[in-house]
Amino acid sequence: RKEVEQDPGPFNVPEGATVAFNCTYSNSASQSFFWYRQDCRKEPKLLMSVYSSGNEDGRFTAQLNRASQYISLLIRDSKLSDSATYLCVLRASSNTDKLIFGTGTRLQVFP
Amino acid sequence: DAGITQSPRHKVTETGTPVTLRCHQTENHRYMYWYRQDPGHGLRLIHYSYGVKDTDKGEVSDGYSVSRSKTEDFLLTLESATSSQTSVYFCAINDAGYEQYFGPGTRLTVT
Repeated sequence: RKEVEQDPGPFNVPEGATVAFNCTYSNSASQSFFWYRQDCRKEPKLLMSVYSSGNEDGRFTAQLNRASQYISLLIRDSKLSDSATYLCVLRASSNTDKLIFGTGTRLQVFP
Repeated sequence: DAGITQSPRHKVTETGTPVTLRCHQTENHRYMYWYRQDPGHGLRLIHYSYGVKDTDKGEVSDGYSVSRSKTEDFLLTLESATSSQTSVYFCAINDAGYEQYFGPGTRLTVT
């Protein structure tokens, strides 16, 4: 079983829609969760960290469910510019700084 | 944007030739990482460095070596390139936190 699993998509949504991605992880000791965004043929860029109590940054909301071992990303009022691949990332345990990356979920927002 | 550059940005080389990729940062960060990204896989860690002359292996280090003689430069060498090393290579840095910031990537093709 992969350490981090994501639905590869693509998720095709119209502008203005709300879309949610989930990511599950297998190691209950995992720490420090993140969502990264990667545009086609570009480097991954940090979108937001995910805190235990959930957090929001503008149109983006991230949630962590430790009991069920998943994190989620909700995008409200989708824009064409949100089209990208969203990577779920976590730190494997408390005694490492190394990150583990999911394969990503592709989002395509259409007019 | 984090001050990270990679060179070359694109390279085509033949099987059996040595190749060196360079990562340069202007942030004076201690920690540097080399990843490869392939379809169907998340980013996978090749090697990492915690400081000058302090390097260690990641999960896919076979066929790769690294060197870090200055804080700002982290070199990745393929001693004898193989077709399985055709990939996109990303360098990343972080400082005290666990978020990592990526360079623009090097697209390597081994023929």
